[in-house]
Amino acid sequence: QVQLQESGPGQVKPSETLSLTCDVSGASITKSYWSWIRQSPGKGLEWIGYIYDSGSTTYNPSLKSRVTMSMDTLKNRFSVRLRSVTAADTAVYFCARSPEFDILTGYYFDHWGQGALVTVSS
Amino acid sequence: DIQMTQSPSSLSPSLGDRVTITCRASQRIGDYLNWYQQKPGNAPKLLIYAASTLQRGVPSRFSGSGSESETDFTLTISNLQPEDFATYYCQQGYSTPFTFGGGTKVEIK
Repeated sequence: QVQLQESGPGQVKPSETLSLTCDVSGASITKSYWSWIRQSPGKGLEWIGYIYDSGSTTYNPSLKSRVTMSMDTLKNRFSVRLRSVTAADTAVYFCARSPEFDILTGYYFDHWGQGALVTVSS
Repeated sequence: DIQMTQSPSSLSPSLGDRVTITCRASQRIGDYLNWYQQKPGNAPKLLIYAASTLQRGVPSRFSGSGSESETDFTLTISNLQPEDFATYYCQQGYSTPFTFGGGTKVEIK
């Protein structure tokens, strides 16, 4: 059974860096695609990006200049860093898995973490 | 980016009703359309992927369909049950950045 669990500070000051980690059990992060998705009242669900293979990444262009994702294969976890945060980055952040790409099915998110609320405030 | 538009934004059916939610993509996405259910305080849960494939463990009263246009999709819930009151989202899995619809809230009448 695949399980994901987010962890990280619940509050970040404006202009600082938001950092979250997702611990994965029941699956190897060297397979599949591992995404960060956030949800805020103002912008709904927003895909931030994914990491796959041994660290290849694809980011949402809207956040690309501020985002970095990484993975630790020994600990079976992956992380996201979002720089220069503002109040608009306040959201619940989810990590999620997409199975290996299949031309018949495309990309979908079949396992999610419970979510971590991050508030940007001084 | 591919824009996903859901309608209606909310509805208030009765138990046992048949509910239909639609999702329109701003360009053709084949059958790369997925549906999720989200309850307050929880993560979204995958219901249907590739337009019409039911995720393992999801009740068969949920069904999805696409169209020849490859832009219009439907989620149908037959015989609405109390546990089905939630918010439903569509998501395109055709190209990055992956995008979601704005959601349809199904509330108790």
